[in-house]
Amino acid sequence: NAGVTQTPKFQVLKTGQSMTLQCAQDMNHNSMYWYRQDPGMGLRLIYYSASEGTTDKGEVPNGYNVSRLNKREFSLRLESAAPSQTSVYFCASSESLKALNEKLFFGSGTQLSVL
Amino acid sequence: AQKITQTQPGMFVQEKEAVTLDCTYDTSDPSYGLFWYKQPSSGEMIFLIYQGSYDQQNATEGRYSLNFQKARKSANLVISASQLGDSAMYFCAMRGKGYQKVTFGTGTKLQVIP
Repeated sequence: NAGVTQTPKFQVLKTGQSMTLQCAQDMNHNSMYWYRQDPGMGLRLIYYSASEGTTDKGEVPNGYNVSRLNKREFSLRLESAAPSQTSVYFCASSESLKALNEKLFFGSGTQLSVL
Repeated sequence: AQKITQTQPGMFVQEKEAVTLDCTYDTSDPSYGLFWYKQPSSGEMIFLIYQGSYDQQNATEGRYSLNFQKARKSANLVISASQLGDSAMYFCAMRGKGYQKVTFGTGTKLQVIP
């Protein structure tokens, strides 16, 4: 079972370059999320999509845009990368946002370095 | 606002011993859910255990149990009979009002010694 698939696994960018991180889930989940993980800071929510056709900002949305392409796919775009965006990015999904016990299913992460 | 605090950046435990990883939380929401996730060196995040704020009993999942003390706002993870494969980062997390936001702690790195 694939679960949540993220691409690429590694990426190096120069300051000012743009890129899109791709995420797809095959669990028929309604809700999808993008997190970033920085040392000593845990995971912080960048954007989320409660359901197909909706997206909302999380804690740290500045410098990012997202697209919920369809129920399966949720992409994260860096329009003009900055060194402060060097991080490990995780896509996650959950069945919905309708219950407290909805656990998150994570992709394997993308390690992004911005030089 | 929600906040999760994990005060142990790193811990060591002898193989086959039990270990407790601390987690305290702060929230004004009357209902909330608490989670623990494991992140091995390979990087993926794996769900371990869940505790609801109104659950009467502490959650258990195999060798994992959650020591939930609501009045103290703590949700410590207990791993019994540690195995080498338990070496990983462990994150405590909370979902509260609005449901969309899951707040994570900074994690505890556990190393199991043979």
